[in-house]
Amino acid sequence: EAQVTQNPRYLITVTGKKLTVTCSQNMNHEYMSWYRQDPGLGLRQIYYSMNVEVTDKGDVPEGYKVSRKEKRNFPLILESPSPNQTSLYFCASSVTSRTGELFFGEGSRLTVL
Amino acid sequence: AQKVTQAQTEISVVEKEDVTLDCVYETRDTTYYLFWYKQPPSGELVFLIRRNSFDEQNEISGRYSWNFQKSTSSFNFTITASQVVDSAVYFCAHTGGFKTIFGAGTRLFVKA
Repeated sequence: EAQVTQNPRYLITVTGKKLTVTCSQNMNHEYMSWYRQDPGLGLRQIYYSMNVEVTDKGDVPEGYKVSRKEKRNFPLILESPSPNQTSLYFCASSVTSRTGELFFGEGSRLTVL
Repeated sequence: AQKVTQAQTEISVVEKEDVTLDCVYETRDTTYYLFWYKQPPSGELVFLIRRNSFDEQNEISGRYSWNFQKSTSSFNFTITASQVVDSAVYFCAHTGGFKTIFGAGTRLFVKA
């Protein structure tokens, strides 16, 4: 089954404790991206990746890091989480960045205390 | 810069009513794509439709229809004879290159 898998789905953590949200897709998609969803703001792009070892900032990259060492995986790293990073995070993949529909993971709800 | 505006924050209708969700975009791209996604109460995001900037033909899929007007930079979504299962948040999105910009979403409540 074609899917994008994120883990963990739910996480409560404390300020400053590094965490990683994993994302994996099994569709051999070149493009992957991370979004955060906040009430009233829709989805905002954090980082995206065109292919292995090719990543770039989205609209809200501050406080986040990513890596793309393998085509299927695109982890999101919060080196020192802060309360303003409390949000619902979605990973997505697509055949291409421009024309392809985005396939989303189920979302990861993160709370930073 | 690209921008997508969904001016309707929430809409409430009674089942079987028709409802139109508005989407207005700003772009400097000459070639771009527009999308609609649905987020039901369960939280997942589901692709509904893609339209490229060269194709202004309206599209109908069952009870759903989309009206793309480049002259007014709008890509509106109409649900005919709404049903309770249509209750969701709907997002309009624009892609001109490597970034996809989403609107803030419109929450649709369909009451039985």
